[in-house]
Amino acid sequence: QVQLQESGPGLVKPSETLSLTCTVSGASIRGYYWSWIRQPPGMGLEWIGYIYYSGTTNYNPSLKSRVTISVDTSKNQFSLNLSSVTAADTAVYYCARGPAPVVGATLRRWFDPWGQGTLVTVSS
Amino acid sequence: EIVMTQSPATLSVSPGERATLSCRASQTVSSNLAWYQQKPGQAPRLLIYGASTRATGIPARFSGSGSGTEFSLTISSLQSEDFAVYYCQQYNDWPLAFGQGTKVEIK
Repeated sequence: QVQLQESGPGLVKPSETLSLTCTVSGASIRGYYWSWIRQPPGMGLEWIGYIYYSGTTNYNPSLKSRVTISVDTSKNQFSLNLSSVTAADTAVYYCARGPAPVVGATLRRWFDPWGQGTLVTVSS
Repeated sequence: EIVMTQSPATLSVSPGERATLSCRASQTVSSNLAWYQQKPGQAPRLLIYGASTRATGIPARFSGSGSGTEFSLTISSLQSEDFAVYYCQQYNDWPLAFGQGTKVEIK
């Protein structure tokens, strides 16, 4: 079955860039859309953005000026860069498959499956 | 931007009882709504999409209903493994957005 695994530093200094990678196993990264979602401690979920294997991206406007998502099809990985971080960016970061391409008139923009998540703390 | 509001924030239920969770959208999302379950220390798991279609492997005690702006998730007879936080997510428009969650706890 499809499995996703996040990796990257657990501690980032304020004003620096947060960088995470998601490795996909059990399926090719081609043909799907892949997202990053975050969850501050004790809070709800925020969609950050997605990338298609071709490189097409779509970002949440709330983070768009600081976010870059990229893909490496040769490694079956996609990555997140979030620049100029502050303490407000402290969160568990999840990667997930989705949204799926539209089929006819049916939207399929849910997320399944998800990685286990990785906690990133922004602190000096 | 569509805002999703879930109620109540916490629901106290005894095992075997029925639980009904609500999710409201600030504007219509048609039937483009998903529900997720999240247990402590785990990633969310997809339960329902299309407002009422159970995802693969989800037990029949979970059911979703609603369209437009008002939705509900019902757990017909709570099992011990169902005590968790539940999130709704609209996918009718960008940006994709989640509700703030409802915690289902043991009464």
